[in-house]
Amino acid sequence: AQSVSQHNHHVILSEAASLELGCNYSYGGTVNLFWYVQYPGQHLQLLLKYFSGDPLVKGIKGFEAEFIKSKFSFNLRKPSVQWSDTAEYFCAVTSGSSNTGKLIFGQGTTLQVKP
Amino acid sequence: EAGVAQSPRYKIIEKRQSVAFWCNPISGHATLYWYQQILGQGPKLLIQFQNNGVVDDSQLPKDRFSAERLKGVDSTLKIQPAKLEDSAVYLCASSSGGGGSLWQYFGPGTRLTVL
Repeated sequence: AQSVSQHNHHVILSEAASLELGCNYSYGGTVNLFWYVQYPGQHLQLLLKYFSGDPLVKGIKGFEAEFIKSKFSFNLRKPSVQWSDTAEYFCAVTSGSSNTGKLIFGQGTTLQVKP
Repeated sequence: EAGVAQSPRYKIIEKRQSVAFWCNPISGHATLYWYQQILGQGPKLLIQFQNNGVVDDSQLPKDRFSAERLKGVDSTLKIQPAKLEDSAVYLCASSSGGGGSLWQYFGPGTRLTVL
């Protein structure tokens, strides 16, 4: 069965620090990969997605993620975080060959950015 | 465009009572999903509809949970009778198709507390 693992449950950074959140998935076939973000009091929003092509994808608010197929990873990065990036981040995967679109989520990483 | 609407936003019930949640997806979106998010975990798919037909309900506890999507638009999710472990946020999401390449738009969720 597919699964997604996020390495860090709670990350605390100071403003301007660099961010990398780890995400690994288990699935042998073609996958589509997503990062969703949930700001305090708001609903889940799509941050970025990978379907095919360039493994380095750029999302909103300066975030990017790199798909490394050999490592089954899709880590999220941002060179300089801001206080407004405080949120919960979820990595998710769907089977690329599936016609259901079922998202499998990781357990989430809570990011706290100190001003 | 209007987002995914859900109601109520919060619900507190006693165990063994019944409860129902309502979702109105983005206009024109054929696919509707219900997820359960327990505190500290990522969302888990309960059921997926394509128009008014069920695509995947493999993780829906059918002895107590039921869902319907009459006319292929709005949907309701019901729990009867509720258990303490049903305390969670229930998220509704929609997408324009059912394939794994399409991303999902999430509603604000309904936070259920079972006492």
